[in-house]
Amino acid sequence: SQTIHQWPATLVQPVGSPLSLECTVEGTSNPNLYWYRQAAGRGLQLLFYSVGIGQISSEVPQNLSASRPQDRQFILSSKKLLLSDSGFYLCAWNSRLLSYEQYFGPGTRLTVT
Amino acid sequence: GESVGLHLPTLSVQEGDNSIINCAYSNSASDYFIWYKQESGKGPQFIIDIRSNMDKRQGQRVTVLLNKTVKHLSLQIAATQPGDSAVYFCAENRNYGGSQGNLIFGKGTKLSVKP
Repeated sequence: SQTIHQWPATLVQPVGSPLSLECTVEGTSNPNLYWYRQAAGRGLQLLFYSVGIGQISSEVPQNLSASRPQDRQFILSSKKLLLSDSGFYLCAWNSRLLSYEQYFGPGTRLTVT
Repeated sequence: GESVGLHLPTLSVQEGDNSIINCAYSNSASDYFIWYKQESGKGPQFIIDIRSNMDKRQGQRVTVLLNKTVKHLSLQIAATQPGDSAVYFCAENRNYGGSQGNLIFGKGTKLSVKP
C-alpha cells in the first residue's frame, strides 16, 4: 500500500530563518506531487506541483520554492521566512494513471515568530 | 480566485440526524469532483468522488449528488455521528496545460455534531 510522510510535524522558526520541509511517498512510482498551504480556518491553496524529477510548477508567487531531487521526494524551502508563511503545509500525491484523487500527508504546522 | 465555494461555513446537527453539506462550482468543464474530510490538525481524507457523467453516488453512510444544470454539489451524511465532526471540503478537477490531477478546493464547511 502507498503511504506519504511529512516531517517535521510541527516547526517554530524566527522571521528571516531558512525553511526545509520534506515529503516522501512510498509504494508508488512516478507520482504527481503537490504542496499546499492552509491558513487557520481556511481552504487549501496550491503552492507547487511536480510531474517528475526536477519538474516544478509554481501556482502563486511567493518566497517559497520547491524541489524534487528524487522520484518520491518533494521538498519545500525558503531562504528567509516571513510572518505570513505561518500555516499548515500539506503534501499530496496522486497517480498519473488516475490523475484525480489526491492523497494527503499528515501535514506540518509552521509558526513563524 | 476559487471557483468552488460553499454555501454554509458552519453546520451544527444533532447526533443521529442527517447532514447535508452544499457546494457550488463555476466551471462547467470540470469533470470530476471529490469530497474530503479534514479533522483538526490532520490532512484531508478522501470520502467520496463523482464524475460529471453521474448524478448520484453512494458510499457507506454518505451520498454525493451532482446537479450540473445549476452547478451544485452536495454531500449527505446519514445518521451523523460525533466522529463525523470535521471540516468538509469539496474539490473539482481541472486539467489544464498538461498539469493533470490539479484540484481546486472550496473554503470548507465545519460540521459539528451535538450529542
